[in-house]
Amino acid sequence: ETGVTQTPRHLVMGMTNKKSLKCEQHLGHNAMYWYKQSAKKPLELMFVYSLEERVENNSVPSRFSPECPNSSHLFLHLHTLQPEDSALYLCASSQERGTGRDEQYFGPGTRLTVT
Amino acid sequence: GQNIDQPTEMTATEGAIVQINCTYQTSGFNGLFWYQQHAGEAPTFLSYNVLDGLEEKGRFSSFLSRSKGYSYLLLKELQMKDSASYLCAVRDSNYQLIWGAGTKLIIKP
Repeated sequence: ETGVTQTPRHLVMGMTNKKSLKCEQHLGHNAMYWYKQSAKKPLELMFVYSLEERVENNSVPSRFSPECPNSSHLFLHLHTLQPEDSALYLCASSQERGTGRDEQYFGPGTRLTVT
Repeated sequence: GQNIDQPTEMTATEGAIVQINCTYQTSGFNGLFWYQQHAGEAPTFLSYNVLDGLEEKGRFSSFLSRSKGYSYLLLKELQMKDSASYLCAVRDSNYQLIWGAGTKLIIKP
């Protein structure tokens, strides 16, 4: 595997379910990100981890819970979601966090539908 | 507040040239990125500008004017595979990336 991978690619869940999204990067990067992408809206940064430490949490509801067990893996745990949480969830990684030209490499995303 | 503006949608013809504009108002500036995103796929990095001027990379070029808060992405010799959304993002003084909503580019034969 190369680059950034995400599983599952598609997820349908009820509002009472608990599920987790998984992201893995094979690039040796130190920073990882979770984004939410809704139609015709800018990417919304949810969480940032740098060297496994959470460094940003942009007022995300507590029904979203991130976990970064090591610098290669990132999870997003979901519980009691709302229909408005339906969106594409993108994981990204970069060499460092926010220094110079540290372009982000994105995974293919998980298309989440909350019913 | 911080804001990135880019057109919602543009249409161009195969073989032609198209310019996608991006204007920004941010708290400081530490670089501007352009990404390409095909429908249903991940965004992929295209270009980075931190100094004024033009950066050329094959058929794609990106221009920056920091004094005007303005950038454009220029695509030459358009191909059908260039149909995608193009995202502009600016890093502010806190090194946060501020994203535009993207420009959907439609290429017609």
